[in-house]
Formats: sequence, C-alpha cells, structure tokens
Amino acid sequence: DTGVSQDPRHKITKRGQNVTFRCDPISEHNRLYWYRQTLGQGPEFLTYFQNEAQLEKSRLLSDRFSAERPKGSFSTLEIQRTEQGDSAMYLCASSFGTGQGNQPQHFGDGTRLSIL
Amino acid sequence: AQSVAQPEDQVNVAEGNPLTVKCTYSVSGNPYLFWYVQYPNRGLQFLLKYITGDNLVKGSYGFEAEFNKSQTSFHLKKPSALVSDSALYFCAVREEGSQGNLIFGKGTKLSVKP
Repeated sequence: DTGVSQDPRHKITKRGQNVTFRCDPISEHNRLYWYRQTLGQGPEFLTYFQNEAQLEKSRLLSDRFSAERPKGSFSTLEIQRTEQGDSAMYLCASSFGTGQGNQPQHFGDGTRLSIL
Repeated sequence: AQSVAQPEDQVNVAEGNPLTVKCTYSVSGNPYLFWYVQYPNRGLQFLLKYITGDNLVKGSYGFEAEFNKSQTSFHLKKPSALVSDSALYFCAVREEGSQGNLIFGKGTKLSVKP
C-alpha cells in the first residue's frame, strides 16, 4: 500500500521567490487536504479538494497561496513572493469518503519550507 | 467556536507504566474525534477515532481512548508504555459543517524512559 507522497521533503529559498509543492495521495482516495504546521503547533487547515473540485479555500493564508488538483489525482500548493513567515512544514493528507468526513486522513511526511 | 485543548505540553512516563495523554474539546454538536502521532520529521499517523457508539475506542499499537461527553474529554491511554511510544501526540476534532477539515490541539510530547 503506497502512502501519501510529498515532494520535495525540504525546500530552502530566498524571500520573494515562488515555490511549488506536490502531493500524490493514496490512489483510491477522492479527498485531499493541505495543512500548515509551525513549530510547537498542531497542523492548521488550509484547503480541501474532493476529486478535482476545490471545495474550501477560504482558509488559504493569503492570496499568495493557491492550490490545484487538475485531474483529481495529485495536487500542487504554490506560494508566490515568499515571506519569512511562510517558513513551516506543509502537510498533505488524503482520505476516501462521501458525506460528513468521518474517515481518517492519511498524511504524507510533509515539505519543510525554509525562507532565507 | 470549536476548539481542542491538550493541557499538557509534555508527559513523562516510565516504561511499563500506564500512560494518559489528555484532550478536551468544544463543539456545539456531536464531535468526531481523532488521535494522531507524529515522529520527528515525519507526517502524522492515525491512531484511532470516535464517531459514535462505545465510549471506549481501541486503536493501533495498543492505544485506546475514552470518550466522556459530560466532561467533553477524549483522553488517550495505554496500559503499558514502551520507549518507542515516545513521540508527539495530537488530538483533533472534525470541524462542524465541513467534509473532514480537522482542528488540531497543540500537541503533547510523550517521553517514555527505560
């Protein structure tokens, strides 16, 4: 059983650059979530897809953040004009479900972003 | 507003002793509750969930959790701790009205000493 895969594992970039992260969910999972985790905190929800539809994006931290899941399989999270405060671990999770979302989410190992 | 609280930043236990990691929640309706574990530089691993039914939920690696509606608590327990249980533990509640968005506590670091 292949788990959730995230790439890259680490990203170091200069302030002001754009970055893109990729997430490959478990193949039969129709739901995909992005979270951000900062040091000493629990993950914070960012956005959610069901198949290719982005059903919740109001929690994206600013208009510099965007996410896509063009064919309902892998997803990308892009941050434009990165700032120091964007340094964090970005986690992707997937699940299979319909309705109220009581199925457990399976998390990838995350992409750690460091802004110089 | 919905929230999850983990009142202890760290729990220290001797190997072989029982462990408890505390979690309390605040929701207006019926809660969907989860426990996850995180090892250094890794993602979160699902341990167990409470949706409805029996208040004692059994999960992975010998962990269990007790749902207490009157105390709005969902404490994680294990009868006999292992050194390998040392990790960061997160309690989470499904955000009401969502299709699975989770609200996490700040986490509790469990340290099991030999």
